[in-house]
Amino acid sequence: DTGVSQDPRHKITKRGQNVTFRCDPISEHNRLYWYRQTLGQGPEFLTYFQNEAQLEKSRLLSDRFSAERPKGSFSTLEIQRTEQGDSAMYLCASSSPGGGSSSAGSYEQYFGPGTRLTVT
Amino acid sequence: GESVGLHLPTLSVQEGDNSIINCAYSNSASDYFIWYKQESGKGPQFIIDIRSNMDKRQGQRVTVLLNKTVKHLSLQIAATQPGDSAVYFCTFNSGGSNYKLTFGKGTLLTVNP
Repeated sequence: DTGVSQDPRHKITKRGQNVTFRCDPISEHNRLYWYRQTLGQGPEFLTYFQNEAQLEKSRLLSDRFSAERPKGSFSTLEIQRTEQGDSAMYLCASSSPGGGSSSAGSYEQYFGPGTRLTVT
Repeated sequence: GESVGLHLPTLSVQEGDNSIINCAYSNSASDYFIWYKQESGKGPQFIIDIRSNMDKRQGQRVTVLLNKTVKHLSLQIAATQPGDSAVYFCTFNSGGSNYKLTFGKGTLLTVNP
C-alpha cells in the first residue's frame, strides 16, 4: 500500500453515462497525476496538478474528460458520455516537491491501486 | 478462441537466476529514469531510479544501468524470486523541470520455481 487511495476500485457503466473517480494522494504530496492504462500497455499520462492548478493535459484528454483538484488535496476525474473505448484502468499517482527515497526526490511517483472502468 | 495475449516482451527465468530487463528510450533530453514493477490488478510500484549523471545505481537485489550514448536502460535482478513475477516498466521524464513520466511498453517477467 503506497498511501494513495482510489475509489471506486471497479466501475461498470453503460455507454453514454457519466462516471466520476476519486483519488486521495499522500497527504504531503503537492503533485497529483492521472494516467490511463489499457490491457498490455503501459500507463499513458492524462493530466497533472501542482496543488490545485492543472498544469498539463494530454491530448488524450478529450472534451468529455475533466479533472479537478479544488483544494489541492483529493482529485476527481469525470468522464461524460462514456464510450466503450474509455474502458481501461485509471491510475492516480502523487509525488512530493522534494525528499523521498529516490535519488532525485521529486520525480518519484507513488501510484494508487487504480479504478477499473468497463463501459458496456 | 481469441488470444488475450498482452503482446509484451516476455522473460522467463528459473528461481535463483539473475534477470536482465532492457529498455530503449528516444528522448535525448530525458534526464531521470525510473523502473516500476506492476503486479496483476495493482498500480505500478517504484523499484529504483537513476539520474542521467550516473551510469549505474544499486539497490537491494536490483541494479539499474544507463547508457546515454545509445539511449538504453537495463534492470538487473539478482537471485530472482517467484515474488518478482510481474510486468516491469521503464519510465523517463522529458527533461528539465517537467515531472511527467513516459512509460515504456513493459516486460513480463515470469519466475519458475
